[in-house]
Amino acid sequence: AQTVTQSQPEMSVQEAETVTLSCTYDTSENNYYLFWYKQPPSRQMILVIRQEAYKQQNATENRFSVNFQKAAKSFSLKISDSQLGDTAMYFCASNFGNEKLTFGTGTRLTIIP
Amino acid sequence: NAGVTQTPKFQVLKTGQSMTLQCAQDMNHNSMYWYRQDPGMGLRLIYYSASEGTTDKGEVPNGYNVSRLNKREFSLRLESAAPSQTSVYFCASSAAGGNTGELFFGEGSRLTVL
Repeated sequence: AQTVTQSQPEMSVQEAETVTLSCTYDTSENNYYLFWYKQPPSRQMILVIRQEAYKQQNATENRFSVNFQKAAKSFSLKISDSQLGDTAMYFCASNFGNEKLTFGTGTRLTIIP
Repeated sequence: NAGVTQTPKFQVLKTGQSMTLQCAQDMNHNSMYWYRQDPGMGLRLIYYSASEGTTDKGEVPNGYNVSRLNKREFSLRLESAAPSQTSVYFCASSAAGGNTGELFFGEGSRLTVL
């Protein structure tokens, strides 16, 4: 079975600090995409960052970066200089090479002022 | 640009009632999806449509039907609602399916079945 696992249901961090959210997955596919989505209290899901599995270089988007370890099937999200607006649910997901996204169960991140 | 629009945003039903959740996107996307979100379960795919006229089951299709009316619209119907269908429902669309990845989501519809 192709699965995405987020083992941290909740995390909190002080504003301006760095936080890392963990994600592992299981697949036998070689070509796929991995994603981190953010769901703020308003509920609308927003793409944060995307990684193509065949690219070794880790993706970065401003304060957001990933640590992609293909052999270990690990895909963590690092948020630097965290801001109050980063408070949200974060979902890790993958398409596992097909048309559908499989999501993890989410990590609720709270940034403390 | 409205993106993905879902209606209604909130609905309360009694067990056995039927209803349809409507979804429309204005981005000319081929693929559309319906997910449900439950606490501790993440998002689970109910149905998806790769193109107009095609639909396919996802992880949790039982109790639901869908219609891809045209390229813009993808509706989700509950024929006989059950309390287990209490959830937040999200519609999403994508230009190229999940192959390149980005899904654009609606704001969600909170459904309560009593």
